Amino acid sequence: DAKTTQPPSMDCAEGRAANLPCNHSTISGNEYVYWYRQIHSQGPQYIIHGLKNNETNEMASLIITEDRKSSTLILPHATLRDTAVYYCIVSGPGGGADGLTFGKGTHLIIQP
Amino acid sequence: DAGITQSPRYKITETGRQVTLMCHQTWSHSYMFWYRQDLGHGLRLIYYSAAADITDKGEVPDGYVVSRSKTENFPLTLESATRSQTSVYFCASSTIDRGRDGELFFGEGSRLTVL
Repeated sequence: DAKTTQPPSMDCAEGRAANLPCNHSTISGNEYVYWYRQIHSQGPQYIIHGLKNNETNEMASLIITEDRKSSTLILPHATLRDTAVYYCIVSGPGGGADGLTFGKGTHLIIQP
Repeated sequence: DAGITQSPRYKITETGRQVTLMCHQTWSHSYMFWYRQDLGHGLRLIYYSAAADITDKGEVPDGYVVSRSKTENFPLTLESATRSQTSVYFCASSTIDRGRDGELFFGEGSRLTVL
């Protein structure tokens, strides 16, 4: 059973903010939202995670709605190197202790 | 070099042969994982390990064997390779035991072709 729903693909112009949505309507109170990305042929790369509050790091911002049923990953100034598949994952505390479940993700294409 | 490394990066073998994919990490992470990635299926967990000598099955363990005699190594063995095991295999380790939740660090992958 899919815990998250993401659009299969999105386009964004280089230099603009890329906003990637994720629905997780069945998320439990102690489950975190994780975002990873996978650039072609490489291993997935951790981006950010959060529980309730919005989070920001050097790569991205994560906005979680108040009811926690959806979230948005924001890449503030997308570059061509941000073209990748982005995975939104919901998991319990100690999140990856028994492995994270990766869905199909969103293929983000940054257009020059 | 620090990090997580996989070997070999590319391997071609024949049906019925034994193949071992190696994974080595230098961070002393307790948790290690093996995933496979196929078109149409995404990443699927094969086996994982919480510590040396502790391993557990993931979503698709059949046909694979793992061992973890040392914290830093987590080899994956296909005892009798089949064509359906043609895939890209990713090893990962985790910082869970360092108080950070769920951040996995992945290797560069091992591309296995079974003829």
